Amino acid sequence: DAGITQSPRHKVTETGTPVTLRCHQTENHRYMYWYRQDPGHGLRLIHYSYGVKDTDKGEVSDGYSVSRSKTEDFLLTLESATSSQTSVYFCAISESGAEGAGPGELFFGEGSRLTVL
Amino acid sequence: GNSVTQMEGPVTLSEEAFLTINCTYTATGYPSLFWYVQYPGEGLQLLLKATKADDKGSNKGFEATYRKETTSFHLEKGSVQVSDSAVYFCALSDWTGNQFYFGTGTSLTVIP
Repeated sequence: DAGITQSPRHKVTETGTPVTLRCHQTENHRYMYWYRQDPGHGLRLIHYSYGVKDTDKGEVSDGYSVSRSKTEDFLLTLESATSSQTSVYFCAISESGAEGAGPGELFFGEGSRLTVL
Repeated sequence: GNSVTQMEGPVTLSEEAFLTINCTYTATGYPSLFWYVQYPGEGLQLLLKATKADDKGSNKGFEATYRKETTSFHLEKGSVQVSDSAVYFCALSDWTGNQFYFGTGTSLTVIP
């Protein structure tokens, strides 16, 4: 199994508070992703990273920011949590992206369940 | 743009029944196609993949064939088991291999 650890696994917070979710990998993969999973929507990409300090937005990035200061860590921050951000958040990593390499696959963490009251 | 459409669930089958979950896609260029499975309380894990037209991905008795002419990647299994109960996601990666697009997922319940 790919070494991906998400923390915290469960969190309940109140509207307006900041929240940071952490994803830690031991695989040295270049690409890291944050998705949210909601009923009826499947998985939607929030942000992704293609290297240290290199990040880009996904389809649902509003209200979220990310940082990647080390290869192994990718942080997702909700600056001011809202009830619409209640969701299950998944981190994923990929080994693809190197020049000449074929498309790889995503390896997922176990998810972080966030409830915003 | 890129997108994936898969059949709505939930699907309930008796053990040993035949399974088909439909998936169609829209993509530019030459995407790779994937099926992921999510068991209760867990993250997604790769079930099978196909990287070019006419390729067949297979794993654990599941199969899917990359059909470029119909832009489809339907998942099939000849005889499902209770342990196959899970949510199945069809996905594609774009030509870079770094952007992934997921369908909404299909929940499968297999009853003894």
